[in-house]
This record gives sequence, structure tokens and C-alpha cells, in this order.
Amino acid sequence: ELKVEQNPLFLSMQEGKNYTIYCNYSTTSDRLYWYRQDPGKSLESLFVLLSNGAVKQEGRLMASLDTKARLSTLHITAAVHDLSATYFCAVADLYTGANSKLTFGKGITLSVRP
Amino acid sequence: NAGVTQTPKFQVLKTGQSMTLQCAQDMNHEYMSWYRQDPGMGLRLIHYSVGAGITDQGEVPNGYNVSRSTTEDFPLRLLSAAPSQTSVYFCASSYSGDRVSPLHFGNGTRLTVT
Repeated sequence: ELKVEQNPLFLSMQEGKNYTIYCNYSTTSDRLYWYRQDPGKSLESLFVLLSNGAVKQEGRLMASLDTKARLSTLHITAAVHDLSATYFCAVADLYTGANSKLTFGKGITLSVRP
Repeated sequence: NAGVTQTPKFQVLKTGQSMTLQCAQDMNHEYMSWYRQDPGMGLRLIHYSVGAGITDQGEVPNGYNVSRSTTEDFPLRLLSAAPSQTSVYFCASSYSGDRVSPLHFGNGTRLTVT
């Protein structure tokens, strides 16, 4: 059974500083997704990571994937208030393959303080 | 394009009542799925479909039924609502022919069962 763990579950960040959050998964996969959710809103796709060593960047966020370690990291550069949200990673099981069947982590809530 | 449309946005049911949560997408996506989101639990897959006429169970299917008679629609039925089904429900869809395709989420239905 595929399990996805995110840590920490809550992170208070100071504006302007750098932080890294983590996503571990338990079985082989070829796809990992990062989503953002603002309070009371839907989920918005941030990154799709497909291969070992994949790195994607958008603004102050950079995501990477290490399939051997079954680990993805989301690095935040110079945190700003607009990044306050909950971030989910989700993994597709390699053998089922369907994008419709993703396993999500519990989410990491980021709060940026002045 | 409207994307993924869920109705209703909010619903209150009494224990034992039945209802159908509607989900429609206009992107011609083959894959569709239903997730529920509970505080501290992330998103958990209820049912999913890889195409019209094909459905399968996810992690938490008990108490829910689905059918997929068209590519566009994927309704979720609660046959006899229970307080444990109080949750926020998200419908999502994705394109099957592209490994990079993320899930596109609807805006959610907030269900309370009293």
C-alpha cells in the first residue's frame, strides 16, 4: 500500500528566510505532484515531477525529486506572506498508473510572519 | 472552459438521507475521481474512473456509489448519510494520454450530516 508522508505538518516561516519541506513515499512511483491549497479553496497544481533528479522552479518555489530515496523536497526562497497556504504532495502508484488514483500526503501548512 | 464543476457548494443532510453530489468536466478528460478532505487527514480517494463505464474503488469507498455513463459526468451518491461522512468533497479530472497531466480539481462540496 502506497503511503505518503509530509513533514513538518506545520511550519511558521519568517519573511525573507529560506526553508525546505519534505515529502516521502513508500513504494516505487514515476510521478509526484505538488499542490497548493488556500483556506476554504480548491487545490491548485504547482509542479509535476516525472523522473529521478527532476527539478522544477516557479518563482520562489523549487521542487525536486529523488526516486531512489523516494523523496521530494520543496524549497522556499526568501519567504513572503503570499506563500502562506497548505502544500500537498501526491504520488501515483507505478503499477496502477492512473492519474486519477493519486495518494496524497496530509499536507504542510506554511505561515509566513513578518 | 468551465473546467470541473461541482454542485452543490454546500449541503446539510440528516442521518439516513440520500443525495447525489454532481461533478461535470468539459475538458474531455478520461480520468475522473472523488476525494474527501478531513482536517489533518489530507485527501483520501473514494472512487475513481479511467473512462466511461469503468469505475473502481479507492481508499475509502464504503457508503458511496458512483457511475460513469458519460465522459463528462461522474456523480457521487450517498445512499444513507452518516455523520462520519461530514467532509469536504472534491471531484477531479485529468487527461489520460499525458503522464504530466495533473489533476484538475473542482471547487468542492462542503457536506454536513447531522
